Amino acid sequence: GAGVSQSPSNKVTEKGKDVELRCDPISGHTALYWYRQSLGQGLEFLIYFQGNSAPDKSGLPSDRFSAERTGGSVSTLTIQRTQQEDSAVYLCASSLRGLAQLSSTDTQYFGPGTRLTVL
Amino acid sequence: EDQVTQSPEALRLQEGESSSLNCSYTVSGLRGLFWYRQDPGKGPEFLFTLYSAGEEKEKERLKATLTKKESFLHITAPKPEDSATYLCAVQVAQAGTALIFGKGTTLSVSS
Repeated sequence: GAGVSQSPSNKVTEKGKDVELRCDPISGHTALYWYRQSLGQGLEFLIYFQGNSAPDKSGLPSDRFSAERTGGSVSTLTIQRTQQEDSAVYLCASSLRGLAQLSSTDTQYFGPGTRLTVL
Repeated sequence: EDQVTQSPEALRLQEGESSSLNCSYTVSGLRGLFWYRQDPGKGPEFLFTLYSAGEEKEKERLKATLTKKESFLHITAPKPEDSATYLCAVQVAQAGTALIFGKGTTLSVSS
């Protein structure tokens, strides 16, 4: 079946502009995650959505970053007033059940990412 | 502080030369350990989940093992197509905690 898709695949923007990144999760997956991958760094958790619950925003680096998930499916990550340090690959993942259940793990499946370059 | 460290950062092998990648972790409680493969310009591809010490899983030339402090990804007789970055991630026991990733090991296999 279809995997996680993200758009655009590449985005070049000027410092100070706003950008929106889109993620379409695997159909039926209740949990959705955003990560950031900078050159030479590991994946950095940004935000996590689980069903209709309030999202876990604990990884967002500043208030310029926000995300929403509409209808429990598609998610949009918005970065306002972009800075050069925001340049990175932004990865989206989805999983079937999410992180709430202590009794089991839940595999996250990743999309191809959006490469953001801020000039 | 929960932490995941992968070594080496980079590994060059000849085709057929077996080796191991290491993932050591310091966490408050382990719920699961994940291995992913990432090719350049692509998202991570899931390989294995390990849950408890002593567990092993295999897929083609790859075998993942887990102890109480670390995991190994053994690559037997690698081929050039095994070249990629291998990522290790842990999910800690506290409910609602996202995956913690290591920085990865970049493997290059030459023919």
